[in-house]
Amino acid sequence: EVKLLESGGGLVRPGGSVRLSCTASGFYFGNYAMSWVRQTPGKGLEWVSLLTGSGGRTFYADSVRGRFTISRDNSKNTVYMEMSSLSAEDTAIYYCVKEINSVFESWGQGTLVNVSS
Amino acid sequence: SYDLTQPPSVSVALGQTAIITCAGSNIGTKKVHWYQQRPGQAPVLIIYINNNRPSAIPERFSASTSATTATLTIARAQVGDGADYYCQVLDSGSWVFGGGTKLSVL
Repeated sequence: EVKLLESGGGLVRPGGSVRLSCTASGFYFGNYAMSWVRQTPGKGLEWVSLLTGSGGRTFYADSVRGRFTISRDNSKNTVYMEMSSLSAEDTAIYYCVKEINSVFESWGQGTLVNVSS
Repeated sequence: SYDLTQPPSVSVALGQTAIITCAGSNIGTKKVHWYQQRPGQAPVLIIYINNNRPSAIPERFSASTSATTATLTIARAQVGDGADYYCQVLDSGSWVFGGGTKLSVL
């Protein structure tokens, strides 16, 4: 059974930084791209970033490019999202997602990042 | 950027067929995926690559794609099908979601 467990969310001041982590189990982690998708409370889904299984290629949404950095440690079955220069518009639930062939196959339960003073 | 347009809400009578659309330019050339999100829960994949279902998803869920519109069909709608539904494609290195459709089963 695939499991994805996010952590690292919480209250962050505007302009601040935070690092999200997602630990995976139930599949061979290094074989799969991993992504972050966010959802503003009460709103729709927004893809944020994706990192290939080898870690060789990264993709970012325009809204976060230059401020967010996705990385992974395949030895720890963990993917990270370093988020900086945060604003209220970044307040959302951040989901860790296993991706294959453009499909978001499995989702974590999400971690809430609240950017507020 | 690529846009996917879904109706904000759709209503269906219990036991009837619900249809949710997702419009996008040349969407017929893309792989379309659908997700269900029940209140307070994470999204769940229900249809992938146009009309394939994960093993846990009932046959009542099906989908199709024309040149400009992808369609999710839910036959014999149940109370538990009341949820938000999202379409999604990959376009030029960007994974794009539709705005979502809230399905109400009356």
